[in-house]
Order: sequence, then structure tokens, then C-alpha cells
Amino acid sequence: EIVMTQSPASLSVSPGERATLSCRASQSVSSNLAWYQQKPGQAPRLLIFGASSRATGVPARFSASGSGTEFSLTIDSLQSEDFAVYYCQQYGNWPLTFGGGSKMEIK
Amino acid sequence: QGQLLESGGGVVQPGRSLRLSCAASGLTVSDYAMHWVRQAPGLGLEWLAVISYDGSYIFYADSVKGRFTISRDNSKNTLFLDITNVSVEDAAVYYCARDFVPMDPGGASEIWGQGTRVTVSS
Repeated sequence: EIVMTQSPASLSVSPGERATLSCRASQSVSSNLAWYQQKPGQAPRLLIFGASSRATGVPARFSASGSGTEFSLTIDSLQSEDFAVYYCQQYGNWPLTFGGGSKMEIK
Repeated sequence: QGQLLESGGGVVQPGRSLRLSCAASGLTVSDYAMHWVRQAPGLGLEWLAVISYDGSYIFYADSVKGRFTISRDNSKNTLFLDITNVSVEDAAVYYCARDFVPMDPGGASEIWGQGTRVTVSS
């Protein structure tokens, strides 16, 4: 099973600032990596697929990069609605696995 | 706007069995792999199982293999998850999700239901 490790586990950021989240896979998943956003009481929302492609309706301030074992999600000019928990997920190998999440809080 | 609606959650006693359902409304699912994902209280997401669009292949997380069974009825646009010998560790919100790419073996989950909560208590 591929272990996905996200860092930091939590971070405090001021609105308008940039935030970068990291995700590391225990072995290569190529570009088979997705990012999700989850707000309290809501289902996850797909943000990124294929490591760097934004899903439909995702604002351009969300960008992502990486391949193999190292990935990152960057959110430029954070808006109030961006404060949430972010998960990465690999879908390059069975079983699919999620990272433990990064909680983004308002500073 | 199409949606997925889970049902079947509630309070279940340890050792009992449970069937969760996920009905698609206004949404095509017959051409897509479907997933089950759960989230225990206060914890992260745990991927559980996937079934291909035609049911020809199925994969499970190691943690649930042998106790969980995923199935689908495309004629009713419905996905199922059967859980046997329920334990306290199964208490969670269970989400169904539609895969991102049609006919794909299984990848990112694009469309999610709102979840159904399973509480385990004697």
C-alpha cells in the first residue's frame, strides 16, 4: 500500500496570502494524484486531478504541480472560502490511498 | 444538477450487518467506476472500495477486505456497500463518489454524495 504523507498538518494563513501544501508518496504514483478540499459538514470537493489539472469550476488561484513522489498545491491570494482541510489522494496503485490532510486556518 | 444520495446509515449493533445504498439522480453513473470512502469522526478520508462501470473488477482497501462487499445495479443507477460483522471501528460517515473519467478503471472521485452516518452502539 502506498502511504501518502501531507505537510504541514495544519497552518495558519492570513487572507490574501499564499499557501503551499505538500504531499509525498512512499513510492512513485506518476501523475496519478488528486487534491480535494473539504469544509466542515460537507463532502470533499475535487480540486485537482492528474497532479496539475484543475477540475471544472475551480478558481485559477489554485495550482498544483509534481510527479512521482513529490507534489504540491498552492493557493494564491487566499479567500475566506478557502479555509478548509485539503487532502491528496493517489490513484496510481491499488488500493487508492489518501493523505492525512492539511488543515488551513485563518490567522 | 445531478446528485448522489446515500442511505442506509443509522445505529447498528456490533456484530450485525448493514447495507448502504447510493442512488444517482439526474446523473449518469453506468459508464463510470464508483467508489466508497468513509470518514470516522474527527479523522481523515479513508478509501474503501471501487467497482468498475460494468462490475467486472473490484478492489478493496486491505482494512475492509473480507467484510465489505461493493456492488452495483446499473438498471437502477444504484451502488451498494454491504458490511458484515460491524465493529466500533466502522463508525463513520460513508460517502459514495463517481469516478472522474468514464470507462476508466478507477481514479479521482469527481462527484460525491453528502454521506450517510453509521453509528455503532449496543
